[in-house]
Amino acid sequence: KQEVTQIPAALSVPEGENLVLNCSFTDSAIYNLQWFRQDPGKGLTSLLLIQSSQREQTSGRLNASLDKSSGRSTLYIAASQPGDSATYLCAANYGQNFVFGPGTRLSVLP
Amino acid sequence: GAGVSQSPSNKVTEKGKDVELRCDPISGHTALYWYRQSLGQGLEFLIYFQGNSAPDKSGLPSDRFSAERTGGSVSTLTIQRTQQEDSAVYLCASSLDSSYSGEQFFGPGTRLTVL
Repeated sequence: KQEVTQIPAALSVPEGENLVLNCSFTDSAIYNLQWFRQDPGKGLTSLLLIQSSQREQTSGRLNASLDKSSGRSTLYIAASQPGDSATYLCAANYGQNFVFGPGTRLSVLP
Repeated sequence: GAGVSQSPSNKVTEKGKDVELRCDPISGHTALYWYRQSLGQGLEFLIYFQGNSAPDKSGLPSDRFSAERTGGSVSTLTIQRTQQEDSAVYLCASSLDSSYSGEQFFGPGTRLTVL
């Protein structure tokens, strides 16, 4: 069964810290892995997309890595800000089916 | 518009009634997905459309759920004889690339409440 898990489930940090969010997937036959953020009551905003042939992607203060063979992806957030507070979701793309993790709820305190 | 749009944004209905949820994908995107997000739960895949091909309905939870996509663009998700457990946020996403490597873009969702 294709499952995606995320650790930690919730995280609260003071402003300025560097963060690591983890995503694991049981079936490594992915086409790509996508990271999203979701603000309360809102839809999902795409952050980064890593193709299965890539090792990492960077956008501003965000860096996502992918180790397909071990079924893991990591999202690094540098110099966190209160505006980064949201739920972060990863999704493994298996073709016609995207499997989402349950999310990590992040709170960055000013 | 530049993004995926969904309507209505909120829908309150009585148990047993039928509802229709609409999704307008980004122009030119060939792939369209429907998901359901129940309170405190992750996203649950419902159905996938790719161009004019027959949709992948493997995620639909029951035969009360159906979806169609007219002209390869707008999609409608229909829930017949709604039940309280159907209450959730229904999210639509579209993707440009038909080779499974494309990035998904999500709409704001429709919050469905079944009383």
